[in-house]
Order: sequence, then structure tokens, then C-alpha cells
Amino acid sequence: NAGVTQTPKFQVLKTGQSMTLQCAQDMNHNSMYWYRQDPGMGLRLIYYSASEGTTDKGEVPNGYNVSRLNKREFSLRLESAAPSQTSVYFCASSDTIGYGYTFGSGTRLTVV
Amino acid sequence: EDKVVQSPLSLVVHEGDTVTLNCSYEVTNFRSLLWYKQEKKAPTFLFMLTSSGIEKKSGRLSSILDKKELFSILNITATQTGDSAVYLCAALTGNQFYFGTGTSLTVIP
Repeated sequence: NAGVTQTPKFQVLKTGQSMTLQCAQDMNHNSMYWYRQDPGMGLRLIYYSASEGTTDKGEVPNGYNVSRLNKREFSLRLESAAPSQTSVYFCASSDTIGYGYTFGSGTRLTVV
Repeated sequence: EDKVVQSPLSLVVHEGDTVTLNCSYEVTNFRSLLWYKQEKKAPTFLFMLTSSGIEKKSGRLSSILDKKELFSILNITATQTGDSAVYLCAALTGNQFYFGTGTSLTVIP
């Protein structure tokens, strides 16, 4: 079982470039999430999707957009990357909100 | 403002020692508290706690929640080098988890 798969694993962007981080889960989970992890800041929620067809802002949504393409896939888009978006991004899923997560392996993004 | 605070920030112990990691939270509409272990990559789930005073155990790890005092502890007995990791706690409120910054544990042989 793959669990939660994120692509790419590493990415370097120039300021102003756009990109989409992909996330797919094969556990038939209803809820999916995007987090960023910065040193000293812990994990912070960017956006989440409680169920297919819904998305909601988390703690730090500015500069990001998401799409819940179907039950399996939840993508995160940076329209115009900024150095402040340099971070490690984790996608996660859970069967229902509040019952623990399974995390992807992360995407290390550097914006120069 | 919802927040989760973990202490200590880092800890270095010798193999065989027992450690206690702390997590305090101030969140609205608290639902549950989770502990994760993060090694080099993604966090992995350890425990979920929803009721006060009920200890969850898994091998040498155990955790308990105090909903009156708004904290949880994670105990690791007879530590091993493989326990070296960052331990994260997260409080669920409404539809969001709030994570602490983690406790970095280093176990020296």
C-alpha cells in the first residue's frame, strides 16, 4: 500500500514562478490536508478538504490555492512563489476529521 | 488564539533512561489530542487521546491526557537510540489540528 504519495519530493523555484504540488491517497480517506513545516513553527495547516467537493482555509492560506480533484487527489498550487514560501510541505489524509492522519513523505520547496 | 506548547524543546538522554515529554494546549472546542513521532520525513501516528485520565500504551511508550489542566504527557521508558526523533503533539479543535513545535529527543548509546 502506498498510503499518501506526494510529488515532487524536491523543487527549486524562482520568485514569481508557479507550481502545483500533487497529493494522492489510496486509503479511501474522506479528508485531506496540506501543511507546511518551518523550523521553530511546527506544522501549520494551509488548506484542508473535509470531504470530496469541499475545501476550507486553514491557519496560513494566503498565497496558496487547492483543488480536491476527486476523493483520492488533493493538489496545492502556488500561483506566484515567494521566498517566504520556502518550506517543507506535507500532505495528509484521514478517514474522518479527528481520527489521526497518515502523512506523505513531504516536498522540500525552495524559492530563490 | 489557539495554541499548543511543547516542552522541553530538546532533550538528550542516555540509553535506558526514562523521559517525559509535555504538551499543553489552549484551544476552543477541544476534541482530541494526538502524538506523532517524526524522524527524517513524515510524522507517524503514535496515540490519540480523547478522554481524561485514560492511559494509552504501546510497548515502552505511554501517554495520558488531563482535560482539566489542559495538558498531556508522553512517557518513554528504557529509551533506545531508535527513539531519537522529534515528537509532535497536536490538538484537534473543530476541523483543524494545531501542532506544537515539537520536542527533539536524542538518545545517546
